[in-house]
Amino acid sequence: AQTVTQSQPEMSVQEAETVTLSCTYDTSESNYYLFWYKQPPSRQMILVIRQEAYKQQNATENRFSVNFQKAAKSFSLKISDSQLGDTAMYFCASLTYSGNTPLVFGKGTRLSVIA
Amino acid sequence: GAVVSQHPSRVICKSGTSVKIECRSLDFQATTMFWYRQFPKKSLMLMATSNEGSKATYEQGVEKDKFLINHASLTLSTLTVTSAHPEDSSFYICSAEQGFTDTQYFGPGTRLTVL
Repeated sequence: AQTVTQSQPEMSVQEAETVTLSCTYDTSESNYYLFWYKQPPSRQMILVIRQEAYKQQNATENRFSVNFQKAAKSFSLKISDSQLGDTAMYFCASLTYSGNTPLVFGKGTRLSVIA
Repeated sequence: GAVVSQHPSRVICKSGTSVKIECRSLDFQATTMFWYRQFPKKSLMLMATSNEGSKATYEQGVEKDKFLINHASLTLSTLTVTSAHPEDSSFYICSAEQGFTDTQYFGPGTRLTVL
């Protein structure tokens, strides 16, 4: 069974600074995806970034990038130039390739961006 | 692209009544949709996997007769909470899997309050 662990329940960062959210996972599968989702106060889950495990290159989406360490089973999210709108709950999740399978979520990290 | 709608966004009902929640993928077809329940400040708890044209797969501990799921088309899945009780009050979220990317996109959620 897959597990996803987020060890930081809460974090804060000053506006315009950089913050890194940690995530580790455990899986016996060789092919899988990893995701970061953001849930702002509106509670809408928003896809932030997606990484395919077979790709060595770290995914980036504008100010968001990941540090994917496959051997260490680590998948951290870096947010650069933090903005007030980045304040949200961030969930790390994994998914096997086989399709029709559910996401496995971590417990989340609550990020507060301070002006 | 990849927009998922959910209706209603908020519903209040009396104990003993049934409530139907709709989840629609607006710009892609989704063979598989998922239904989650989320308690305050907690991660998402998977309730069931909904497959178009077949019976849903329920997670352990989820009553299939209480939470009826129908996935009648490639763009619509419904969750009906039957004979609702106050303990069913929660935030319900659906997601739809975009097949060619193996990525789940989430609806905005439904806040159910049972009086």
